[in-house]
Amino acid sequence: EVHLLESGGGLVQPGGSLRLSCAASGFTFTTYAMNWVRQAPGRGLEWVSGISGGGGSTYYADSVKGRFTISRDNSKNTLYLQMNSLRAEDTAVYYCAKDPRYSGSHYPDYWGRGTLVTVPS
Amino acid sequence: EIVMTQSPATLSVSPGERVTLSCRASQSVNRNLAWHQQKRGQAPRLLIYGASSRATGIPARFSGSGSGTDFTLTISSLQSDDFAVYYCQQYDSWPPITFGQGTRLEIK
Repeated sequence: EVHLLESGGGLVQPGGSLRLSCAASGFTFTTYAMNWVRQAPGRGLEWVSGISGGGGSTYYADSVKGRFTISRDNSKNTLYLQMNSLRAEDTAVYYCAKDPRYSGSHYPDYWGRGTLVTVPS
Repeated sequence: EIVMTQSPATLSVSPGERVTLSCRASQSVNRNLAWHQQKRGQAPRLLIYGASSRATGIPARFSGSGSGTDFTLTISSLQSDDFAVYYCQQYDSWPPITFGQGTRLEIK
């Protein structure tokens, strides 16, 4: 059974940094691309970033490009999101999501439960 | 960026009814369209991919159709467990993949 468990969320001041982690199990981690998707309070879903199975290709939404960095450690079956220069508009639940293919961003076929990041205005 | 528009924003329906949700893309996404269900306080769950293929474990009462710019999600007979928010999502042109704003199904 696929299991994705996010951690690392919390309260951070504007301009601060945070690193999210997502521990994956139940599938061959290195075989699949992974994504981060966020949801601001009471709002819809917004794709943030994606990374290929080997980690060699990364993709970002314009809203986070240059501030966020996605990475993965396939030896630890863990996905990361380093978030710098945080803004109030980055406040959201951040979901880790598995992609059904090795590269690119397609559709999340499994989702974690999410971790809340709060940046006060 | 492809903009996904869902209608209606909210739909009030009774258990047992048949319901159809609509999703329109600002340009053709071929059949690269997924639907996700999100219950209150929970993570989303994949229902449909490739416009009409049900994901693992999804009941047959959920069906998807469409291609190009217009898509529908149909629930043939609403169960109490189906009251949730439904999001369509395109993956034809990325980055970014993009989601619609969601349709909320409420109990009438």
